[in-house]
Amino acid sequence: EAGVAQSPRYKIIEKRQSVAFWCNPISGHATLYWYQQILGQGPKLLIQFQNNGVVDDSQLPKDRFSAERLKGVDSTLKIQPAKLEDSAVYLCASSFQGFGGELFFGEGSRLTVL
Amino acid sequence: GESVGLHLPTLSVQEGDNSIINCAYSNSASDYFIWYKQESGKGPQFIIDIRSNMDKRQGQRVTVLLNKTVKHLSLQIAATQPGDSAVYFCASAGGTSYGKLTFGQGTILTVHP
Repeated sequence: EAGVAQSPRYKIIEKRQSVAFWCNPISGHATLYWYQQILGQGPKLLIQFQNNGVVDDSQLPKDRFSAERLKGVDSTLKIQPAKLEDSAVYLCASSFQGFGGELFFGEGSRLTVL
Repeated sequence: GESVGLHLPTLSVQEGDNSIINCAYSNSASDYFIWYKQESGKGPQFIIDIRSNMDKRQGQRVTVLLNKTVKHLSLQIAATQPGDSAVYFCASAGGTSYGKLTFGQGTILTVHP
């Protein structure tokens, strides 16, 4: 079974530039999550989708971060403009039955903002 | 606000020893707990979970213990192997934050051959 796919694996940009990350969840998984993991810390939920609807985006900095999940499958997370403190690994995860089901994480996209 | 934290940031053990990783949580309404393993350059991997109506759950070489009285849970790894070297996170959910996992800081486990 193919896992959660993410791209790019690594991205280096300068502050105030924009960046986009892509995620393809496991086939059939209705719930998709984006987490931010700063070095040395545990992941922090940014946004949760159920199919193509947003369930929770309370911790998403909406002035600069946006995410969409068109057609309820793939998702993109965008940062514009990036700040130094956005340097982190952005993890995508998916689950079959919504919360309470096991989350499967991708390998993450590491962002460095200079 | 809710927080989930770990007592020890690093743990070094010899191969074959048993390992115990501890975690404290602050939200008494939390009723679902998960342990994840994260290897370098990879995403977290589910190890084992436990709900608040249980105080112990066993998996293959792993056991999770939950003490709701003191809001503490632990992960025990039997016969630790070098492949167990990773960062281990506990996460919790429940109460008003149900549906959102809160992760702790993580414990680095190093297993020496």
